[in-house]
Amino acid sequence: ETGVTQTPRHLVMGMTNKKSLKCEQHLGHNAMYWYKQSAKKPLELMFVYSLEERVENNSVPSRFSPECPNSSHLFLHLHTLQPEDSALYLCASSQDTLQAGEQFFGPGTRLTVL
Amino acid sequence: RKEVEQDPGPFNVPEGATVAFNCTYSNSASQSFFWYRQDCRKEPKLLMSVYSSGNEDGRFTAQLNRASQYISLLIRDSKLSDSATYLCVVNHDTDKLIFGTGTRLQVFP
Repeated sequence: ETGVTQTPRHLVMGMTNKKSLKCEQHLGHNAMYWYKQSAKKPLELMFVYSLEERVENNSVPSRFSPECPNSSHLFLHLHTLQPEDSALYLCASSQDTLQAGEQFFGPGTRLTVL
Repeated sequence: RKEVEQDPGPFNVPEGATVAFNCTYSNSASQSFFWYRQDCRKEPKLLMSVYSSGNEDGRFTAQLNRASQYISLLIRDSKLSDSATYLCVVNHDTDKLIFGTGTRLQVFP
């Protein structure tokens, strides 16, 4: 049973659309993460938030815009995406960034960009 | 060179077999190490941390060799439910995990 939820689970969007992915953690954690997982590639860390402050931006294109309004919620705003952005987007949380090795993942949003 | 390298497999083994996976990492300053498990079309889940002295959790044994920069995972008495992809994960900055591409295990009856 996961304490991290993500919505939507599936999303199909055109390159001109704007959409948002939502993540919520019910674990009382202070750190949250966005990852991208593409076929045959390792998980790629996109963003790290600690106590609602962004502490890592892993050279992610500006068409991905994260938002962390509080320590339980994390959003990923998407606009003018490219087909190569199609992937599984995973949210995770950990007690804090010092415990980054023990992360709890949400089920992911499978994104398809047409 | 990839930061974390794993044999993608698949490793096809019968139930009851013992199977081992290795993983190498390139950054000698890496501080902590983990194995995660990811079932097909599911999210990764932490399987176990890897300690310098090696550690065991039931049928699973993890070991770290800092000199050669590799970690290993041994699964004894394989079960059908062990079928999954096993991700090697390395942490050399406190908030940043580096994931391998994973080793796929398929246990057959």
